[in-house]
Amino acid sequence: GDSVTQMEGPVTLSEEAFLTINCTYTATGYPSLFWYVQYPGEGLQLLLKATKADDKGSNKGFEATYRKETTSFHLEKGSVQVSDSAVYFCALSDGAGNTPLVFGKGTRLSVIA
Amino acid sequence: GAVVSQHPSRVICKSGTSVKIECRSLDFQATTMFWYRQFPKQSLMLMATSNEGSKATYEQGVEKDKFLINHASLTLSTLTVTSAHPEDSSFYICSGIGDRTNYGYTFGSGTRLTVV
Repeated sequence: GDSVTQMEGPVTLSEEAFLTINCTYTATGYPSLFWYVQYPGEGLQLLLKATKADDKGSNKGFEATYRKETTSFHLEKGSVQVSDSAVYFCALSDGAGNTPLVFGKGTRLSVIA
Repeated sequence: GAVVSQHPSRVICKSGTSVKIECRSLDFQATTMFWYRQFPKQSLMLMATSNEGSKATYEQGVEKDKFLINHASLTLSTLTVTSAHPEDSSFYICSGIGDRTNYGYTFGSGTRLTVV
């Protein structure tokens, strides 16, 4: 079945450092790819998404490019802030009707001042 | 944008009692609602999928008699944890799908259940 693998955390960075969180996927067909963010004690918020190969999703300084050749959707941000501290989930949807998202295990990011 | 309102955000109950969690879709009609459970520092585990007006489909290992899901309307889905025990303590999150093209997956803010 479909699966998502993302890098293990936790990741600790200093403010203004460059962030990369790796995400790769296994899927049949042409999935849509997502990054969600979860702040402490809260639900999930959609950060960005991409629905086809070579699409780049971006939001709040975060970017991720749908790479079909490497089955990857790595999350990047050029300069992280303390407020970016959260858990980040990579996810995919197979797009075949109303099927649930398949999530990676999540990566906890801590940004220190 | 689309919003799913989930209540309560936190609940503490005694062992043996039942707790109902509500998820309401605002500004869109949620034809499908997914219910997840999240253990501390772990990912989301899909518990069940409910479609409006039909019985929920439960994932393997999830007790349907313990976790009652009702999706009686396009704007309301409920999860009732019956005869709760401490091991049911967890973070429960719902996610609704309406018009997939425009709204995609919309998550509630989660419910922290503590059974004492």
